[in-house]
Amino acid sequence: EAGVAQSPRYKIIEKRQSVAFWCNPISGHATLYWYQQILGQGPKLLIQFQNNGVVDDSQLPKDRFSAERLKGVDSTLKIQPAKLEDSAVYLCASSLSGHQIYEQYFGPGTRLTVT
Amino acid sequence: KQEVTQIPAALSVPEGENLVLNCSFTDSAIYNLQWFRQDPGKGLTSLLLIQSSQREQTSGRLNASLDKSSGRSTLYIAASQPGDSATYLCAVRAYNTDKLIFGTGTRLQVFP
Repeated sequence: EAGVAQSPRYKIIEKRQSVAFWCNPISGHATLYWYQQILGQGPKLLIQFQNNGVVDDSQLPKDRFSAERLKGVDSTLKIQPAKLEDSAVYLCASSLSGHQIYEQYFGPGTRLTVT
Repeated sequence: KQEVTQIPAALSVPEGENLVLNCSFTDSAIYNLQWFRQDPGKGLTSLLLIQSSQREQTSGRLNASLDKSSGRSTLYIAASQPGDSATYLCAVRAYNTDKLIFGTGTRLQVFP
């Protein structure tokens, strides 16, 4: 079974530029999560989708971050404009459903450096 | 608000040692607790998941315990090997959400 796919793996941009990350979850997984992991910290949930609807985006900085999952499968996370403090690893995860009994499976992440 | 802390932040041990990683959480009303391993440039790999009704889980050389009342979990690694070198993260999940709340991790280095 293929795992969670993410691209690109690395990205370097200058502040005020925009960037987009892509995630393809495990086939059949209804729930998709985007996490931000700043160096030296644990991952923090940014947004959770159930199919193509948003379940939780309480920690998403909506003035600059946006995410979509139009067809309920793959998802895109965008930052516009980027700030220095957005430098982090962005992890995508998926689970069969949004119930607690289902484990989340993580992709390899995208490492973003903002200069 | 749930907070998860891991001690120590970093650990360096010689091969063969038994070691303990600690995780503490402030709100004992958890659904389960999970230990993950993170290798540089890679995502998170689930190691052990302990339900709130369980006291421990074992997988190979790994043993995780859970004491909900005191808000603590430990990950015991027996006979450590250089291949165990990685960052270890614990995460808790509350009853009313499937959101994972992560600790800051313990960076482990096992040298030959």
